[in-house]
Amino acid sequence: KQEVTQIPAALSVPEGENLVLNCSFTDSAIYNLQWFRQDPGKGLTSLLLIQSSQREQTSGRLNASLDKSSGRSTLYIAASQPGDSATYLCAVKRNYGQNFVFGPGTRLSVLP
Amino acid sequence: DTGVSQNPRHKITKRGQNVTFRCDPISEHNRLYWYRQTLGQGPEFLTYFQNEAQLEKSRLLSDRFSAERPKGSFSTLEIQRTEQGDSAMYLCASSLNPGRQLGRGYEQFFGPGTRLTVL
Repeated sequence: KQEVTQIPAALSVPEGENLVLNCSFTDSAIYNLQWFRQDPGKGLTSLLLIQSSQREQTSGRLNASLDKSSGRSTLYIAASQPGDSATYLCAVKRNYGQNFVFGPGTRLSVLP
Repeated sequence: DTGVSQNPRHKITKRGQNVTFRCDPISEHNRLYWYRQTLGQGPEFLTYFQNEAQLEKSRLLSDRFSAERPKGSFSTLEIQRTEQGDSAMYLCASSLNPGRQLGRGYEQFFGPGTRLTVL
C-alpha cells in the first residue's frame, strides 16, 4: 500500500527566505508525482508535475525534484513571498490503477 | 471559464437526508475523479471515471455513496442517509487521456470543492 508523508507539517518563515518542502512515498513504482497548492477552504491548484522518468521540473520560483529510488521529492521555493502562504500537497500516481495518493500537506506561512 | 466547476459550493443538511453534488470537468477531459478531504488531511480518492464508465472505486465509497457520469460529461455524487462523519470537502478533478497530453500524462486539475456539513 502506497503511503505518502510530508515534512514538516507546518513551517513559518520571514519573507525572502528560500525554503524546501519534503515529500516521501513508500512504493517507488510510481507513474508521476504532482505538487499542489491549496488555499484555506479552496480547491487544489496544480504547481508542478514530474513524470517518473524525470528528475526535476521548474516553474518560476518553484523547483521540484524527484528521486524515485529513494522515494523522495522536494519542492524548493525561492525568495518566498507572503502570497506563497498556503498548504502544499504532493500526490503520487502508481503505475497501476487510477488511485492517486496524497500526503497530508505542509502548511506554509510567509511573514511580511 | 474553462476550469473544473462544482456545485453547490456549500451544503448544510440534517443527518439522514440525501444530498447530490455536481462536477463539470474541463470540456476535453475524459477522466474524472472524486475525492474527499477532511480538515488537516490530504484528499482521499473515492472513485474514477473514464468517459461514462466508472472504472475504480475506493473502499471508502460505502453503499450509501453513488456516482454517475452520464454521457461522459458532468458527474454527480450522491450520498444517501447522510451521517455526521460524512462532513468533509468533496473535490472533483479531471485530466486528459495521457496519450493526448504529451509529457503531462494524468495531470489533474481540481475544482473548488463542495463543503458538506451534516448536522
